[in-house]
Amino acid sequence: NAGVTQTPKFRILKIGQSMTLQCTQDMNHNYMYWYRQDPGMGLKLIYYSVGAGITDKGEVPNGYNVSRSTTEDFPLRLELAAPSQTSVYFCASSWDGTNEQFFGPGTRLTVL
Amino acid sequence: GDSVTQMEGPVTLSEEAFLTINCTYTATGYPSLFWYVQYPGEGLQLLLKATKADDKGSNKGFEATYRKETTSFHLEKGSVQVSDSAVYFCALSNFNKFYFGSGTKLNVKP
Repeated sequence: NAGVTQTPKFRILKIGQSMTLQCTQDMNHNYMYWYRQDPGMGLKLIYYSVGAGITDKGEVPNGYNVSRSTTEDFPLRLELAAPSQTSVYFCASSWDGTNEQFFGPGTRLTVL
Repeated sequence: GDSVTQMEGPVTLSEEAFLTINCTYTATGYPSLFWYVQYPGEGLQLLLKATKADDKGSNKGFEATYRKETTSFHLEKGSVQVSDSAVYFCALSNFNKFYFGSGTKLNVKP
């Protein structure tokens, strides 16, 4: 049982490039989340999903897109990367919106 | 709307000192409350939780009691260790939404 896995662990992008951050969970959780954590700051919710085929915006969705074609996978797409997107990105999942969230190890992204 | 407020850090303590990190919340209804811990370079891990008023969550020597009358969920530990140095997040869940506090960094010196 691997829990929540994220790839890549680190990535450096140039301004204007695009990339997809991968997130997979093997706990059959319905809910999945993407957060960003800027240095020394708390978590900000980017997007979340309550089940396959259903996604919704969080607090800071601009510049990002998501999809949820399967229960297991919840990729985060960055289009036209900007320096303001330099951050650590965490994926999380939970059985429902009430119980604890399980976090992946994070992806550290730098946009230069 | 629902929210979580926790004390600002950093908190610096000597080993074996008593720890309190304050957390208060605003919520309608009956939220569940959580403490998460984030060690350097890692993701968040659940430390403890409480799902109803007067419940006490505990784990690894840490405790927190769900106080509805004061809308608080303060984290305590009787004797901290250097290995407890981390960032601690208070959180609540309510009506299928999750809210995190801004985090409190704890530094424990030998």
